[in-house]
Amino acid sequence: DTGVSQDPRHKITKRGQNVTFRCDPISEHNRLYWYRQTLGQGPEFLTYFQNEAQLEKSRLLSDRFSAERPKGSFSTLEIQRTEQGDSAMYLCASTPGQGTYGYTFGSGTRLTVV
Amino acid sequence: ELKVEQNPLFLSMQEGKNYTIYCNYSTTSDRLYWYRQDPGKSLESLFVLLSNGAVKQEGRLMASLDTKARLSTLHITAAVHDLSATYFCAVGDNSGGSNYKLTFGKGTLLTVNP
Repeated sequence: DTGVSQDPRHKITKRGQNVTFRCDPISEHNRLYWYRQTLGQGPEFLTYFQNEAQLEKSRLLSDRFSAERPKGSFSTLEIQRTEQGDSAMYLCASTPGQGTYGYTFGSGTRLTVV
Repeated sequence: ELKVEQNPLFLSMQEGKNYTIYCNYSTTSDRLYWYRQDPGKSLESLFVLLSNGAVKQEGRLMASLDTKARLSTLHITAAVHDLSATYFCAVGDNSGGSNYKLTFGKGTLLTVNP
């Protein structure tokens, strides 16, 4: 297992377009998290899945954002009608339990909205 | 709402010197994590601290946790240039149930000068 994979690594999109990111967690990790990081800031929590169930969403996750983890394996994060304020690094993390073994982060998807 | 404060936010050190980064958090938690981030890269796990009094060391870095004081420290011994990076502390937040999402500090940008 090579860790948490995210695709694409970079995405440039025009304002108003929809984008979708993918995260493949470590296979035996049942918990998956999405975070957003803007320049000079720490990552901020967006949403959390335990297996296929989305159990928590941050207030940061407006109705333009949707996330899925259909079979409890990979996850997708979609942003509709992108805005310039959506430009950020989107990070995915996974863990096998309640964080006792730490969280493994993917390399992230850097989104630029022009 | 859990708040995590790191200080200093910027740290310029000379090689060979020692220094400590502090991480304070506002509500009870027994899970504290330290990460390193290089420019444009994702987060690399450094330490997982899960109990009061926990101390872990790896090379020139040592981390400790005092859950009663809600304080963690990251101590750097005899700094070398390769330690230049941004260091984040993150607290496991269970306020939304049993999800233990991470709440991050703003990060400490460490520059080690020859």
